[in-house]
Amino acid sequence: DAKTTQPNSMESNEEEPVHLPCNHSTISGTDYIHWYRQLPSQGPEYVIHGLTSNVNNRMASLAIAEDRKSSTLILHRATLRDAAVYYCILSFDYGGSQGNLIFGKGTKLSVKP
Amino acid sequence: DAMVIQNPRYQVTQFGKPVTLSCSQTLNHNVMYWYQQKSSQAPKLLFHYYDKDFNNEADTPDNFQSRRPNTSFCFLDIRSPGLGDAAMYLCATSRGASGASEQYFGPGTRLTVT
Repeated sequence: DAKTTQPNSMESNEEEPVHLPCNHSTISGTDYIHWYRQLPSQGPEYVIHGLTSNVNNRMASLAIAEDRKSSTLILHRATLRDAAVYYCILSFDYGGSQGNLIFGKGTKLSVKP
Repeated sequence: DAMVIQNPRYQVTQFGKPVTLSCSQTLNHNVMYWYQQKSSQAPKLLFHYYDKDFNNEADTPDNFQSRRPNTSFCFLDIRSPGLGDAAMYLCATSRGASGASEQYFGPGTRLTVT
């Protein structure tokens, strides 16, 4: 399985941008890059996903390196509600495991007022 | 609002006593997943249904079973819970099973084994 590597924890100040990095050097051509987050005592929540091009939605932006071996989730203005564990996950688009999410340890984001 | 509902939110069972956790969805999604999340760990996929087709992860213990009687409902049965099965159990759905599919998670059921 293609693996991802993320920092264990990061800190941010409220109302400042946050860049959450993810390395996925063994990514294959049909793997999608997904980001989910999990707030305390809640189920994970979908944030964004992409394949090759950068993506934007109402929650965040996803910047994907040209070689696709790394990506960055960008929260444009962190709020206290954004404090969560952020998971970067590769989702296969082939084979019997396609669409499955294999969660790694994620990055715990703390947001200071 | 369309959503994924898990009942109960908290379940206490005795060691060895069978327990069933329930998940329902109003999204009309084809795929339903069950994950186990132990304290301070990431969610771990147990199995999923694509429509009526059941797909078990290779390392899911035989103690865990699942049923999907219709599109809306999916159940997780733990035949003989051990202390090590205490965890949050998360249900998720997706429209399809491709790499681009987004999963929608329920709030989870926290299982305590006494």
